[in-house]
Amino acid sequence: AQKITQTQPGMFVQEKEAVTLDCTYDTSDPSYGLFWYKQPSSGEMIFLIYQGSYDQQNATEGRYSLNFQKARKSANLVISASQLGDSAMYFCAMKGSGAGSYQLTFGKGTKLSVIP
Amino acid sequence: DAGVTQSPTHLIKTRGQQVTLRCSPKSGHDTVSWYQQALGQGPQFIFQYYEEEERQRGNFPDRFSGHQFPNYSSELNVNALLLGDSALYLCASSLRRYNQPQHFGDGTRLSIL
Repeated sequence: AQKITQTQPGMFVQEKEAVTLDCTYDTSDPSYGLFWYKQPSSGEMIFLIYQGSYDQQNATEGRYSLNFQKARKSANLVISASQLGDSAMYFCAMKGSGAGSYQLTFGKGTKLSVIP
Repeated sequence: DAGVTQSPTHLIKTRGQQVTLRCSPKSGHDTVSWYQQALGQGPQFIFQYYEEEERQRGNFPDRFSGHQFPNYSSELNVNALLLGDSALYLCASSLRRYNQPQHFGDGTRLSIL
């Protein structure tokens, strides 16, 4: 079974500043994938970035980067140069490789508010 | 390139009724998953369909059932609705290959009175 923990219910960041959203995970699977999604108030879940457990480098996608520390079982999302449109819920999720590896397991999310 | 589409957008039902939600996957995707998202929570996995078969099921009762059609579209059926079934229901599609990201639709917001 997989477990995702997001300990920050809410975060504030000044526009144009960088922000880190925390995510820790737990799994016994030898390989797994970690995902971050953004959910604006309208409801749709938008895929942001993916990190495989055996990837040597941290993933980056535009202003998003994933700070992957395998020994600490953490996969923090870093958003650089925050914009007002970044205000949303952010969910960390994972998928394992063992039995039942088809589902995404989500954390409870972090609500990010960008201040002008 | 159309993304994942879900219908209807909103639905209001009463306890004991039955509901059917629909999903068309992103073009080229062959796998459809359904999630339930209660207010203030992360999505919870209901089940996944591939090649018209239920491939995996989460911790949901048999009142929740689904179907996948030859064109990869899918339906989620919920019988004997309870107040606790009020939630946002999200459909996600992906390719079968390992760790391909799932792409979500806008969801169906179901309210039970």
